[in-house]
Amino acid sequence: AQSVAQPEDQVNVAEGNPLTVKCTYSVSGNPYLFWYVQYPNRGLQFLLKYITGDNLVKGSYGFEAEFNKSQTSFHLKKPSALVSDSALYFCAVRCILAVSGSTLGRLYFGRGTQLTVWP
Amino acid sequence: GAGVSQSPRYKVAKRGQDVALRCDPISGHVSLFWYQQALGQGPEFLTYFQNEAQLDKSGLPSDRFFAERPEGSVSTLKIQRTQQEDSAVYLCASSLAGGSGGFSYGYTFGSGTRLTVV
Repeated sequence: AQSVAQPEDQVNVAEGNPLTVKCTYSVSGNPYLFWYVQYPNRGLQFLLKYITGDNLVKGSYGFEAEFNKSQTSFHLKKPSALVSDSALYFCAVRCILAVSGSTLGRLYFGRGTQLTVWP
Repeated sequence: GAGVSQSPRYKVAKRGQDVALRCDPISGHVSLFWYQQALGQGPEFLTYFQNEAQLDKSGLPSDRFFAERPEGSVSTLKIQRTQQEDSAVYLCASSLAGGSGGFSYGYTFGSGTRLTVV
């Protein structure tokens, strides 16, 4: 079964400090991995994705994520947090290989991590 | 339009009422997905269309849920005889292409419809 785990419901960090939001996944075959951000009463906004290639992926707003195949992780990072980064962050995985009963394009989401950056 | 548009933004329904939620995907996007996001949870897959064909409806929670995309563009998610457990944000997403490699283009999500059943 495909699944995503975000072990932290909340992450709190001071502005200017580095931040990490954790994500681990379980899929059959190689994954496509995504990070989305959700602001209150808004839809999901794309941050970055890993398809193939370099394990360190750079995305929007200074965010980056590191794909670690051996640890099946895709942690989101930012060297210096801003108050405006405070939001709900979702990790998602998409299967590359068709699995019986699974739409190829379907995303499996984690439960989300609420990031709070205080001034 | 430039993005995925969903309407209404908010819907309050009395238990037992039927509702219809609309999604206008980005023009030319082949693939369209519906997700359900309950409070405090991540989005859960409901159904998937490639053009007008509904290729996967395995995520629909009951036969009260029905989705259509008759002309391969606008999609409607209908919920009959709404129950309190249907209260959630319903998200629509579209993608330029489909098939095994197409989703590397990514997905664009709408702002969602927040359904509250009272």
